[in-house]
Amino acid sequence: AQSVAQPEDQVNVAEGNPLTVKCTYSVSGNPYLFWYVQYPNRGLQFLLKYITGDNLVKGSYGFEAEFNKSQTSFHLKKPSALVSDSALYFCAVRDGRSGNTGKLIFGQGTTLQVKP
Amino acid sequence: DGGITQSPKYLFRKEGQNVTLSCEQNLNHDAMYWYRQDPGQGLRLIYYSQIVNDFQKGDIAEGYSVSREKKESFPLTVTSAQKNPTAFYLCASSIGPGELFFGEGSRLTVL
Repeated sequence: AQSVAQPEDQVNVAEGNPLTVKCTYSVSGNPYLFWYVQYPNRGLQFLLKYITGDNLVKGSYGFEAEFNKSQTSFHLKKPSALVSDSALYFCAVRDGRSGNTGKLIFGQGTTLQVKP
Repeated sequence: DGGITQSPKYLFRKEGQNVTLSCEQNLNHDAMYWYRQDPGQGLRLIYYSQIVNDFQKGDIAEGYSVSREKKESFPLTVTSAQKNPTAFYLCASSIGPGELFFGEGSRLTVL
């Protein structure tokens, strides 16, 4: 079965500290992986994606993610958290059964709380 | 500016009424999608369309209908058959298998 898991409902971190939001996946074929961020009552904003190439992917607002094929993980990281990073984060994987579409399977989301 | 416009942002419906949510994009994307968001459940796919005049059911299509008469437009109708329609609805578009671009969402509340 194709799926995405975000094992933590909430992550708390102090401003200036590094942050990690975890994601693991299960998909047939080569994974296309994505991270999105959502602020309250807003749509999702694209942060970064992995399709092929380097396992460390750099994205918007200083975020990066590390693809680990053996552990089927795609954790989101940032070296120094900001209070303004507080939001809901979604990991997603392209549905391998969907051919050439952008049809995605989303995790349930992780709330990131950065405290001053 | 290019983007996706959803309207209305907030909508209230009485039980038994159909409502239609609008989604318009000027990104020239072929594919469009409707997702439903409920607290703690992530996003679930309702319908998607890869080209004009064609669309496919997603994981939770029951009680919903769509049309794709123009490339730019992908309206979603929430029918009276949808048993629990109160949710946040998100429209998105993409070029092929690339990232999705989302609208700002429509929040539907059933009174």
